[in-house]
Amino acid sequence: AQSVTQPDIHITVSEGASLELRCNYSYGATPYLFWYVQSPGQGLQLLLKYFSGDTLVQGIKGFEAEFKRSQSSFNLRKPSVHWSDAAEYFCAVGRLSGGGADGLTFGKGTHLIIQP
Amino acid sequence: NAGVTQTPKFQVLKTGQSMTLQCAQDMNHEYMSWYRQDPGMGLRLIHYSVGAGITDQGEVPNGYNVSRSTTEDFPLRLLSAAPSQTSVYFCASSYGLAEETQYFGPGTRLLVL
Repeated sequence: AQSVTQPDIHITVSEGASLELRCNYSYGATPYLFWYVQSPGQGLQLLLKYFSGDTLVQGIKGFEAEFKRSQSSFNLRKPSVHWSDAAEYFCAVGRLSGGGADGLTFGKGTHLIIQP
Repeated sequence: NAGVTQTPKFQVLKTGQSMTLQCAQDMNHEYMSWYRQDPGMGLRLIHYSVGAGITDQGEVPNGYNVSRSTTEDFPLRLLSAAPSQTSVYFCASSYGLAEETQYFGPGTRLLVL
C-alpha cells in the first residue's frame, strides 16, 4: 500500500524567509502527487499537483514543488513566506488500482508557523 | 456554484446515538469521498463513491455507512456513535479519485460523549 511521510510536524519560519516542506512517499509506480493547504477552521485547498512531465511544478500563492523519483520525494518550496501562509500543509499520493481508484493517502501534515 | 456543502457544521452526540452527515456538490462530479481528520493523523479515507449507486470502503470504514442515490448527494451515516468517532469529517468531490483535484467541503466537527 502507498504511504506518505511528512517528517516535520511543526516548522517555524520568519516572514520573508524561504520555506521547504518535506514529503516522502512509498509507491511502486509513478504516483499522482498533491500538496494541499488547510487554513484554521477551513477545508483543504489544492496548492499544486504532479502527474508526469516536468518535475518542477508551479502552484498557487507562489508555491512550487519538485518531484525527485530517486529520492521518492515531493518537497514543497516558497522563496519568501508571508504571514498569511501560516496553515497546515498536507502532502498526498493517489493511485489507481487494477480494478479502479483507491483514492488519496495523506501525510500527517506539517504545521507552519510564521514569525514576524 | 456553491461547490461542496456539508451540514451540520457542528454536532454533539451521545454514545449509541445515530446520525447522518450530509454532503452535496453542484459540480456534477462523479467521485465523492468522506475523510476524517484527527490530530496528528492527517486525513483518512472512510468511504468513497465512483458514481450513483456505487460505493466502496476506504481505509477506516468501520462504524460508517454510505449510499449514493444521486450524483449530487453522498451522506455518511453513523449507526451507533462511539467516542472514537469524535473527529472532523470532510466530504470531497472530484472528476477522478486518485488523479484529479479534490474539492473539499468546510467540514463537520463531531463530538461523541
